[in-house]
Amino acid sequence: EIVMTQSPATLSVSPGERATLSCRASQSVSSNLAWYQQKPGQAPRLLIYGASTRATGIPARFSGSGSGTEFTLTISSLQSEDFAVYYCQQYNNWPLYTFGQGTKLEIK
Amino acid sequence: EVQLVQSGAEVKKPGESLKISCKGSGYSFSSYWIGWVRQMPGKGLEWMGIIYPGDSDTRYSPSFQGQVTISADKSISTAYLQWSSLKASDTAMYFCASSMVRGVIAHFDYWGQGTLVTVSS
Repeated sequence: EIVMTQSPATLSVSPGERATLSCRASQSVSSNLAWYQQKPGQAPRLLIYGASTRATGIPARFSGSGSGTEFTLTISSLQSEDFAVYYCQQYNNWPLYTFGQGTKLEIK
Repeated sequence: EVQLVQSGAEVKKPGESLKISCKGSGYSFSSYWIGWVRQMPGKGLEWMGIIYPGDSDTRYSPSFQGQVTISADKSISTAYLQWSSLKASDTAMYFCASSMVRGVIAHFDYWGQGTLVTVSS
């Protein structure tokens, strides 16, 4: 089973600043990595797939990078609506498409 | 517009059976994989399994194999998740989600609103 480890568990950032979230895979997942955003009481929303491709309707301030085992989600200038929990997910190694444990992005 | 609409919240007793549903619209339901994800209270996301409605090919995460059954009825564009004997540890929010990449199982593009299942004596 591939283990996805996200860091930090909680990130405190001020609105307008840049946020950088990390996701590490225990073995290579190539570029088969997605990022999701989940707000309280809501379903997750796809942000990034293929490690760096923004999903439809996702603002340009969200960007993804990395391949193999190290990945990053960057939010260039935080808006109030961006404070949420973020999950990475690998979809490279069947039969378990594992999620990371999540990073909570909170207002500083 | 792609939509996945799930059935409503359920409260059940241990040992009871349950089947929850997820109805897709706005796309060719038979042509894309649709999966289920568990979120236990205050916890993260767990990938449970997935089905291809076109031919009912179904795959399970090892953690959920034998614990749940995933099925689909393409004639009414609906996927299902069912339990034959619920346990208190099945208490969670369950999301369905579609993988809109033809021919492969990939990321989840669209999500249902979630179905809260509470199992308590």
